[in-house]
Amino acid sequence: DTGVSQNPRHKITKRGQNVTFRCDPISEHNRLYWYRQTLGQGPEFLTYFQNEAQLEKSRLLSDRFSAERPKGSFSTLEIQRTEQGDSAMYLCASSPSGGPGELFFGEGSRLTVL
Amino acid sequence: AQSVTQLGSHVSVSEGALVLLRCNYSSSVPPYLFWYVQYPNQGLQLLLKYTTGATLVKGINGFEAEFKKSETSFHLTKPSAHMSDAAEYFCAVTLSQGGKLIFGQGTELSVKP
Repeated sequence: DTGVSQNPRHKITKRGQNVTFRCDPISEHNRLYWYRQTLGQGPEFLTYFQNEAQLEKSRLLSDRFSAERPKGSFSTLEIQRTEQGDSAMYLCASSPSGGPGELFFGEGSRLTVL
Repeated sequence: AQSVTQLGSHVSVSEGALVLLRCNYSSSVPPYLFWYVQYPNQGLQLLLKYTTGATLVKGINGFEAEFKKSETSFHLTKPSAHMSDAAEYFCAVTLSQGGKLIFGQGTELSVKP
């Protein structure tokens, strides 16, 4: 068990560029979550998967954001045409099925949009 | 919809003093409640959780929290603060098994020597 892994850890991009983040969950976990965290705020829910199915997507997630989990293992979060307001820490978490168990978080991917 | 309010964005205590971090929730049905801790440059770690049963739950590092339905609260306490407790603490709620967690805005705990 190597924990939840996120890559890249840091990304600096120019406004208008596309960026993609990858999350590798704990191997036996079938639920995967994406959150966004800005300075001084708690994590804000973006979307969640059970296996490969995207079960819920926040209304805060604009059309420029898309997430996939094609084989029910790793997941990607893509942001198209980045804006300065997208600068944040993007957190991935996973959990096993069954019960309101804990979410296991990765260390996050920090995005800076110039 | 459920929500979480953490009273006080910053709490400062002296080493050895009581730690009390406040969390109130809003929910139409009995919730599941969590406290997470985030150390600098690290991911969030679970401190403790309340699902069902005993309302006083004990977590790691000497922390505990009590679920009080009448007060819609889930305050986090530790009898004696240690320097290593300095971190950001988040209260979270969920209504459904395996569903998303809704987090509060966080409380930064500072511990003075």
